[in-house]
Amino acid sequence: AQKVTQAQTEISVVEKEDVTLDCVYETRDTTYYLFWYKQPPSGELVFLIRRNSFDEQNEISGRYSWNFQKSTSSFNFTITASQVVDSAVYFCALRGYNDMRFGAGTRLTVKP
Amino acid sequence: NAGVTQTPKFQVLKTGQSMTLQCAQDMNHEYMSWYRQDPGMGLRLIHYSVGAGITDQGEVPNGYNVSRSTTEDFPLRLLSAAPSQTSVYFCASSPGRDNSPLHFGNGTRLTVT
Repeated sequence: AQKVTQAQTEISVVEKEDVTLDCVYETRDTTYYLFWYKQPPSGELVFLIRRNSFDEQNEISGRYSWNFQKSTSSFNFTITASQVVDSAVYFCALRGYNDMRFGAGTRLTVKP
Repeated sequence: NAGVTQTPKFQVLKTGQSMTLQCAQDMNHEYMSWYRQDPGMGLRLIHYSVGAGITDQGEVPNGYNVSRSTTEDFPLRLLSAAPSQTSVYFCASSPGRDNSPLHFGNGTRLTVT
């Protein structure tokens, strides 16, 4: 069975700090896909980024960047120069052959 | 575009009652799924469907039934509601089972007393 672990339950930072959200996954599928979603206080789920298992190139998109390391089964997500509007719950997700499983989420609070 | 539409937004049930949470998408997505969200537990998969006429169980299927008679609709039935089913329920869809992200509805907040 697939499993996603987000060890950080809550993180609090001050605005403009960089913050990294950790995600570790388990799967037996040889091809899989990793995602990060954001859930702001309004409650909707917003897709942020994705990575295929066969592409370990790390990328930067604006203030977001991600570090995918297959050797350690990790898919960490970094927000650079955090802003108050980044306050939300962030979910890491793993899609295997059939379904998508989510971690328990990390609640990020960015203080002004 | 409507995207994924869930109804109702809020529902209160008494223990033992049954009800159906509705989910419809207008994007011609093959894949649909239901999750429940509880504090500290993230999103847990209840049931999913890879196409019309095909459904399968997720992590927490007990107490729930689904059917997929059309591509557009994927209703979730609570057979006999229990307080443990108090949760926020999300329906989601995607074009396929690949790297396409899930599109989520706005959720249904269910309280069972």
